[in-house]
Amino acid sequence: RKEVEQDPGPFNVPEGATVAFNCTYSNSASQSFFWYRQDCRKEPKLLMSVYSSGNEDGRFTAQLNRASQYISLLIRDSKLSDSATYLCVVNPEAAGNKLTFGGGTRVLVKP
Amino acid sequence: EAGVTQSPTHLIKTRGQQATLRCSPISGHTSVYWYQQALGLGLQFLLWYDEGEERNRGNFPPRFSGRQFPNYSSELNVNALELEDSALYLCASSQGLARTFTDTQYFGPGTRLTVL
Repeated sequence: RKEVEQDPGPFNVPEGATVAFNCTYSNSASQSFFWYRQDCRKEPKLLMSVYSSGNEDGRFTAQLNRASQYISLLIRDSKLSDSATYLCVVNPEAAGNKLTFGGGTRVLVKP
Repeated sequence: EAGVTQSPTHLIKTRGQQATLRCSPISGHTSVYWYQQALGLGLQFLLWYDEGEERNRGNFPPRFSGRQFPNYSSELNVNALELEDSALYLCASSQGLARTFTDTQYFGPGTRLTVL
């Protein structure tokens, strides 16, 4: 089993719609969680950290479910510019800073 | 404020040669990380340096090595290049060990290494 698993997609989303997807992680001792966004042939860029209580940043909402070991990302009112690969990232070690990346979920927003 | 910078942008080598990739972290960041992203694969953690020392290492052979300089910049060396080393090599930086496990990593644009 992979340490961090994501549905590769693609999720084809009409502009203005809402899309949500999950990521599961295997290490129950994982301490910190992030969503990064990666555009084609570009570097990953931090979208948001994921906190235990869940957090929202504009149109983006992230949730963490420690009991079921998954995190989720919801995008409301999708824009064409939201088309990208979304990487689920987990830091499985308390002090190791050794980020483990999921394979990414590809989102395509269409007019 | 300048972000993480990497050089060169592209590097073409032949099998058996050595490659050196360079990274400058965000000002004030003491930690530097190296990742490999091969075509069709996810990012794989290579190395983590903080305050000049190697702090953690991924599952890569010893021919992948690096170092961190007093100014916190870093270089990644890949010896005896193999065809499967062709990948995008990404460097990231963070504020380092002084932070808790919530330390956030910021990525540079990467060096695309092609081994022929």
